[in-house]
Amino acid sequence: GAVVSQHPSWVICKSGTSVKIECRSLDFQATTMFWYRQFPKQSLMLMATSNEGSKATYEQGVEKDKFLINHASLTLSTLTVTSAHPEDSSFYICSARALVAKNIQYFGAGTRLSVL
Amino acid sequence: QQQVKQSPQSLIVQKGGISIINCAYENTAFDYFPWYQQFPGKGPALLIAIRPDVSEKKEGRFTISFNKSAKQFSLHIMDSQPGDSATYFCAASESNFGNEKLTFGTGTRLTIIP
Repeated sequence: GAVVSQHPSWVICKSGTSVKIECRSLDFQATTMFWYRQFPKQSLMLMATSNEGSKATYEQGVEKDKFLINHASLTLSTLTVTSAHPEDSSFYICSARALVAKNIQYFGAGTRLSVL
Repeated sequence: QQQVKQSPQSLIVQKGGISIINCAYENTAFDYFPWYQQFPGKGPALLIAIRPDVSEKKEGRFTISFNKSAKQFSLHIMDSQPGDSATYFCAASESNFGNEKLTFGTGTRLTIIP
């Protein structure tokens, strides 16, 4: 089956530093990758949609300069949380949509970010 | 109009019983309806999905029932097992390019008791 690898699974950082999260589709090419944020016991909130080779589309209320997204290849997208603050602490999850599989999104295991 | 309403919020079912989770949507352009299973600290895993051209889809113990006229769909877990204890999310999306993003329900925390 389709595998999406997300790294790191857990990161702790100091306030003011930047953190990069990687999302890779291991066995398929992903034209589109999505980044979500999930608070405890809540649903997934879409942050942005990224298409390979083009700028990401951010959802309303998501700061583009705070959450930098790069989708440099058909198998890799990165999310950088810049100048992280404690309120950015959350569970971040990526998903990837395969070229040939319309609609279907496969999710990574998530990254738990804790900002001290 | 983009909302997907999910119920119940939590559900306790005895082992061997049937677990039923319901979702309703408003956007008639939605044409893909997946269910995801999520364990604590993990990403969601695609469980089963349906498109509006069929009213039911079954994969093992998991069945989706779809009612297009009522704009509702549900997940049935037959012979529920303790290992099924997880949070389940329904979702919906369109197939039109640029609108494939998933709209998620609020989730149902399922607990299977022995």
